[in-house]
Amino acid sequence: YEVTQSPSVSVSAGQTAAITCSGNALPLQYTYWFQKRSGQAPLLVIYKDRERPSGIPDRFSGSRSGTIATLTISEVQADDEADYFCQSVDSSGSYVVFGGGTKLVVL
Amino acid sequence: QVQLVESGGGVVQPGMSLRLSCATSGFTFSRYGIHWVRQAPGKGLEWLATITYDGNDKYYADAVKGRVAVSRDQSRNTVYLQLNGLRREDTAKYYCAREAAIATGRPYGMDVWGQGTTVTVSS
Repeated sequence: YEVTQSPSVSVSAGQTAAITCSGNALPLQYTYWFQKRSGQAPLLVIYKDRERPSGIPDRFSGSRSGTIATLTISEVQADDEADYFCQSVDSSGSYVVFGGGTKLVVL
Repeated sequence: QVQLVESGGGVVQPGMSLRLSCATSGFTFSRYGIHWVRQAPGKGLEWLATITYDGNDKYYADAVKGRVAVSRDQSRNTVYLQLNGLRREDTAKYYCAREAAIATGRPYGMDVWGQGTTVTVSS
C-alpha cells in the first residue's frame, strides 16, 4: 500500500500552500502530517486528518475528501520552508506508510 | 516534558548487527506504543517497526522483516531495535517516535519524536 505526494510545491510568501496526499485507504484510516527540516526531528503539525497539536499555528490545517488528504498552510512564511510528509496506515491497520514527502519552497 | 532519546548508532561493517535504544521519559510509558522510522541520506521517511503499549504485538515493514526485531523493557521505559545483517542501504538516521493513540493494539500515527541516531554501514 502506498500514499502519494507531489514532490514539490512553490508559493509566494503570504499566499496559501496546499499539499496533498493520495491513498485508497485514507477514507478508512487517519492521516498525520509532519514538518521535517534538515537536521531536525519530524514535527507533528496535523493529526487525525484535521486536528492541530498545541503549539502549532492555526495557519496549519488539515482536511480529507475521499482518497485525498490535504495539508493547507495559509499566510505562508519563509520559516515554513521544509519537507512535509503525510503518514497513514493500510486498510488492515497493520502497516504504517509515509508519503514520499513534498518540498515546500517559499518564493 | 515528553522525551525520547535514541542511542546505539555508529559505523559498522556490512553483515554486522546493532542494537538501538530509545529511552523515554515524561509520560506513562506502559500506555503507549513506540515506532521506529529511518531516513536515509537524501530520502524520505521510512517506517520500520511498531511495538504496542504492552509489547504483545509487533508490526514490521516488509522491507526489513526478518532482519529487525523490536522489543521493550517496561521497567526501564526503553524500547530497542535489533538490526541484523546490516547492508549499505541501511545507512540512515534512525528515529523512535511515540504512538499518538493511547493503549492501542495497532499503529495509528506518531506524535513526539526523538532526535535520532545515525547508523553508517561501510567496510
